[in-house]
Amino acid sequence: GAGVSQSPSNKVTEKGKDVELRCDPISGHTALYWYRQSLGQGLEFLIYFQGNSAPDKSGLPSDRFSAERTGGSVSTLTIQRTQQEDSAVYLCASSSRSGTFYEQYFGPGTRLTVT
Amino acid sequence: AQSVTQLGSHVSVSEGALVLLRCNYSSSVPPYLFWYVQYPNQGLQLLLKYTTGATLVKGINGFEAEFKKSETSFHLTKPSAHMSDAAEYFCAVIPDTGRRALTFGSGTRLQVQP
Repeated sequence: GAGVSQSPSNKVTEKGKDVELRCDPISGHTALYWYRQSLGQGLEFLIYFQGNSAPDKSGLPSDRFSAERTGGSVSTLTIQRTQQEDSAVYLCASSSRSGTFYEQYFGPGTRLTVT
Repeated sequence: AQSVTQLGSHVSVSEGALVLLRCNYSSSVPPYLFWYVQYPNQGLQLLLKYTTGATLVKGINGFEAEFKKSETSFHLTKPSAHMSDAAEYFCAVIPDTGRRALTFGSGTRLQVQP
């Protein structure tokens, strides 16, 4: 079946602009995660959704970052007033609510470059 | 807080040689442990996991790892390296505290020499 998909695959934006990154999880997966991968910080957790709720958003680095999930499916990560330090690969993952909740399946990522 | 330490940011082996990638975690309780692999310009792929039960776990592509509670380690091994194993490998944990987020190590880039 289809895996996790993310769009766009690449995004170049000017400093100060807003960007939206999209994630389509595996069908039927109730949990969805956003991570960020950057040279300086490695792989960092951003936010976790169970259904449409976000019980853990402890990794969001500032109030410029927000995310939502609708219909228990697609999620959008929004970064407002982008800064150069936001340049990174943003990875989305999903997992089932069942006994294998810990098996997270990752998408290919969105590479964000802020100029 | 959970932390994961991967010893060696770069490891180089010859084709056919043993692969050993080291991972240690800090935890007061046994966590869930994972190894992920990342090929260039791709997302992360789950290689193997330890949750409960048998401490030696086998994964895809001939990799295996052993959970050693006394050493707080979860090292990844493969008896014979193949050129296609060249990639970056990440050790990760989920603490058994109800959190769901993965905490990753800094990664080890594996090079396989012909």
